[in-house]
Amino acid sequence: EPEVTQTPSHQVTQMGQEVILRCVPISNHLYFYWYRQILGQKVEFLVSFYNNEISEKSEIFDDQFSVERPDGSNFTLKIRSTKLEDSAMYFCAVGSHSSYEQYFGPGTRLTVT
Amino acid sequence: KNEVEQSPQNLTAQEGEFITINCSYSVGISALHWLQQHPGGGIVSLFMLSSGKKKHGRLIATINIQEKHSSLHITASHPRDSAVYICAVVGQGAQKLVFGQGTRLTINP
Repeated sequence: EPEVTQTPSHQVTQMGQEVILRCVPISNHLYFYWYRQILGQKVEFLVSFYNNEISEKSEIFDDQFSVERPDGSNFTLKIRSTKLEDSAMYFCAVGSHSSYEQYFGPGTRLTVT
Repeated sequence: KNEVEQSPQNLTAQEGEFITINCSYSVGISALHWLQQHPGGGIVSLFMLSSGKKKHGRLIATINIQEKHSSLHITASHPRDSAVYICAVVGQGAQKLVFGQGTRLTINP
C-alpha cells in the first residue's frame, strides 16, 4: 500500500492567519484529494485534483481555499484566512485513474483559536 | 444527492461475539469502501468492493448492488477491533468518496 505523509501533524493558528497543509505521496499517483472531519462529524470531501488542476470541489471549498502541486510531489492545501469553524482534521488521499482505491495520509489536526 | 447511512451508530459487544455493521446508500455507485478510524484519527482502508464478497482475516465485507446495501462482519471480535468503522461510496461517474457517519465499535474483554 502506498504511503502518504502529511505535515504538520498538528497546527495551531490564530483566526485570520494563513495556513498551508502539505501532503506527500510516496508512490506515483495522479489523483489527489483533500477531505476534512470536524470533531464528532463525518468526513467531508473538499476537493479533488488531477492533471495539475481541480477536477471537482465541494461547496465548502470557497475562495478561502486553494490547492496546488508546487514542485510535482508535494500537494498543498492553503487556507487564506482561517476561521474558527475551519478547526478540523484534514486528510489527504491519493488514488489512480484505473482504480477506485484511495489511500489516506495520517491527517493534520488544525486548531484555530 | 448521495446519502450514506450506517447502522448502528454505536455498538458495544463482548470479546468473541460476531459483529455486523450495515451501510445503505441512495444512488448508483462504482465502488464502496469500508474504512477503520482509530482514536488517534488516522483512516485505514479495509476493503473496496463493487460486487459480491471479500474476506480478510476475521473481517468479511458483502455488498448487494440491487438493494444498495453493504455489511461489514467481524468474526471472533477482539478488544483491538475497537474503532470507528466508516462506509464510503464512489458515485457513478465520480472519483470522490461520500462518507457515512461511522459506527463506533467497542469490544469489551
